[in-house]
Amino acid sequence: GAVVSQHPSRVICKSGTSVKIECRSLDFQATTMFWYRQFPKQSLMLMATSNEGSKATYEQGVEKDKFLINHASLTLSTLTVTSAHPEDSSFYICSARSLTSGRGSEQFFGPGTRLTVL
Amino acid sequence: AQSVTQLGSHVSVSEGALVLLRCNYSSSVPPYLFWYVQYPNQGLQLLLKYTTGATLVKGINGFEAEFKKSETSFHLTKPSAHMSDAAEYFCAVSSYSDRGSTLGRLYFGRGTQLTVWP
Repeated sequence: GAVVSQHPSRVICKSGTSVKIECRSLDFQATTMFWYRQFPKQSLMLMATSNEGSKATYEQGVEKDKFLINHASLTLSTLTVTSAHPEDSSFYICSARSLTSGRGSEQFFGPGTRLTVL
Repeated sequence: AQSVTQLGSHVSVSEGALVLLRCNYSSSVPPYLFWYVQYPNQGLQLLLKYTTGATLVKGINGFEAEFKKSETSFHLTKPSAHMSDAAEYFCAVSSYSDRGSTLGRLYFGRGTQLTVWP
């Protein structure tokens, strides 16, 4: 149980285009989803926290108009990188958390999406 | 505020040798502590976690960690390294609080790359 998927796993796009990344909890309801960004050989940087049905909370320094997050249902959150530029190239990882079944604060991570902007 | 320090960005051991990855945390509230493993171009997989109760926690793949409150440490060990253990390891701290959007947020260390020599 507790499987999180991400789609696509890898995407290459041209500079100036927008890219949408989906994060789905497959077998549980995710009241909260987190979006992370990871640069090569570095740790995960939390970008934003999204709660189902409400606006995402962005970390300091993360442009909310650049990285649009929607958490429309208890099993799906999307991250849209708008007008992507080469510096947006990175590994994006989502995680999902459920308060059911005594899971406490454990987060379940997706496999990540590798974004390359040409 | 919470933070994690992982001592040593790179650790190399011979196959069959003891693995010790160090993690110290800072937390103003009782912490939840986690160790995750990441293989190249993949998401994070939970190795083990400490929430409450027994301070010696056993995880998957033969790993274990001990929560030492007096030392604010949560070091990861494995008695005998295997080639398949080569990966990036992240220590993380969280708290379970019913206050606001910080509920369940993970704070990651910078990671330790484990290399296992044959």
